[in-house]
Amino acid sequence: NAGVTQTPKFQVLKTGQSMTLQCAQDMNHEYMSWYRQDPGMGLRLIHYSVGAGITDQGEVPNGYNVSRSTTEDFPLRLLSAAPSQTSVYFCASSRNGRGSPLHFGNGTRLTVT
Amino acid sequence: SQQGEEDPQALSIQEGENATMNCSYKTSINNLQWYRQNSGRGLVHLILIRSNEREKHSGRLRVTLDTSKKSSSLLITASRAADTASYFCATDLTETSGSRLTFGEGTQLTVNP
Repeated sequence: NAGVTQTPKFQVLKTGQSMTLQCAQDMNHEYMSWYRQDPGMGLRLIHYSVGAGITDQGEVPNGYNVSRSTTEDFPLRLLSAAPSQTSVYFCASSRNGRGSPLHFGNGTRLTVT
Repeated sequence: SQQGEEDPQALSIQEGENATMNCSYKTSINNLQWYRQNSGRGLVHLILIRSNEREKHSGRLRVTLDTSKKSSSLLITASRAADTASYFCATDLTETSGSRLTFGEGTQLTVNP
């Protein structure tokens, strides 16, 4: 199993551009989530999903959209990139989100200039 | 604001010594989890302790939980250079509608050979 796969690994955007960060898992996990990691801030939850067709907001959802059309995929869309969105983004999944451990991808490092 | 706060922020020890990291949190939890992050990689789940448990072991790892003090500690015994990484505690507030794990800022552990 590949686990959680994130693409791309690195991305540079100009302010105002849009893009989609891809996340796929092959473990048949119900729960998927997106976090951003910033120095001195730890990891902050952006959006999460408890199953196909169901998404909800986390701690810092503004400027990001998600959808969950399949169990395997959970893309994160930046609608109009801002320098404040420069960060490392992690996708994570778990069996059911109810007390089960998270499996993380290796992250996407995004720079917005 | 962060639910979990790790202490110390950084720890440097010699190979063979024990490393202790602490985590404090603010509200009642369902479970608390510890993760490790190697440089440039995603987080890896180490151990989960539920609110009704006081101590848990996994190999060289020992985790304690004191719900009255809202604190947890992670002990790594007989440390190795390969243990060099950042360690995060994460608190889980719910086991119902989907996990909203909240991470602390982490402890950077350096094990010198």
